Amino acid sequence: GAVVSQHPSRVICKSGTSVKIECRSLDFQATTMFWYRQFPKQSLMLMATSNEGSKATYEQGVEKDKFLINHASLTLSTLTVTSAHPEDSSFYICSARLGPSSPLHFGNGTRLTVT
Amino acid sequence: RKEVEQDPGPFNVPEGATVAFNCTYSNSASQSFFWYRQDCRKEPKLLMSVYSSGNEDGRFTAQLNRASQYISLLIRDSKLSDSATYLCVVNRKNNNDMRFGAGTRLTVKP
Repeated sequence: GAVVSQHPSRVICKSGTSVKIECRSLDFQATTMFWYRQFPKQSLMLMATSNEGSKATYEQGVEKDKFLINHASLTLSTLTVTSAHPEDSSFYICSARLGPSSPLHFGNGTRLTVT
Repeated sequence: RKEVEQDPGPFNVPEGATVAFNCTYSNSASQSFFWYRQDCRKEPKLLMSVYSSGNEDGRFTAQLNRASQYISLLIRDSKLSDSATYLCVVNRKNNNDMRFGAGTRLTVKP
């Protein structure tokens, strides 16, 4: 149980384009999902908390207009990297959990490369 | 000071060795604690939850010390397949998210 699916697993795009990443909870409903970013040899950094039916909560330093989050249903959250630049190249991972004290279950991540 | 801090590592150990990792957290109201492992270029995967009384899962033992605000992970009889980065994760009370340590890299060698 508690499977989280993320798509695509890898994307290469040109600078200036936008990229959408999907995160789905396959066998449970997730009112909250989390988006992380990880640069090589660094730890996971929380970008934002995605809340179903309301606005996402962004961490300090994360531009909400650049990283658009939509959580329109209890099983789907999307992260759109708008006007991507090479410095946005990173490993983006989403996660969700069954309850506030439950462990996080992660999607398999999306490796974004902006050329 | 980071909210969750781990041994920087890396740990390089021979097969069969016992290795221990520590993790400290600064928020005394933290409620839930977990160890994850992350393989290179992959997502983190839950290794085990950490309970107040300590818990064991095969070769892995996790312990929590609330008074000193640290958790530990002990791996006995290390296998080559244990090579990974181990992440300490702490759930902050009244906050709907978890905080990650930077991870400790373990390499088990033949």
